[in-house]
Amino acid sequence: DAGITQSPRHKVTETGTPVTLRCHQTENHRYMYWYRQDPGHGLRLIHYSYGVKDTDKGEVSDGYSVSRSKTEDFLLTLESATSSQTSVYFCAISDKQGYKQYFGPGTRLTVT
Amino acid sequence: DQQVKQNSPSLSVQEGRISILNCDYTNSMFDYFLWYKKYPAEGPTFLISISSIKDKNEDGRFTVFLNKSAKHLSLHIVPSQPGDSAVYFCAASKGGSEKLVFGKGTKLTVNP
Repeated sequence: DAGITQSPRHKVTETGTPVTLRCHQTENHRYMYWYRQDPGHGLRLIHYSYGVKDTDKGEVSDGYSVSRSKTEDFLLTLESATSSQTSVYFCAISDKQGYKQYFGPGTRLTVT
Repeated sequence: DQQVKQNSPSLSVQEGRISILNCDYTNSMFDYFLWYKKYPAEGPTFLISISSIKDKNEDGRFTVFLNKSAKHLSLHIVPSQPGDSAVYFCAASKGGSEKLVFGKGTKLTVNP
């Protein structure tokens, strides 16, 4: 299994509070991704990174920001959480463009 | 605009029989296709892939078929086992792109 951890694994927060989710990899893969999974929507890409300090938006990036200051860490920040951001968040990594991605265990976020 | 479609949200089969999961895509530039399996409370795991230069790829009980003219791929599981019960996601990418595009998933239930 690819070495990917996500923290926290579960979080409950209130509307309007900032939240940061962390993805950490030990594989030295160049590409890192954040997805959210919601019933009826499958996996939707939020943001991705193609190198340190190099990031780009996915299809559902509104309300989210990311940072990657080190190869191994990719942070996802909800500046002001809303109930619509209640979801399960998955981080993924890849060493080749458009090739298979390895997923972390997920973070279940509930915004009340 | 959904580029990768899994039109069956769920599928139920008997143990020992064949499971066939289907996926359609609209973007003719896609040239690499993958299937992922996801158990509850876990991250998706890579199952099998196929590039557009092939029309079939096998790995044990799992076979993926690609019909480029119909823009259709399918995953065959033979024989199906109760442990195969999971959500299956189809994904696609186009050459040079960092991103995978996922379908919404099909929940497979294999009954003993």
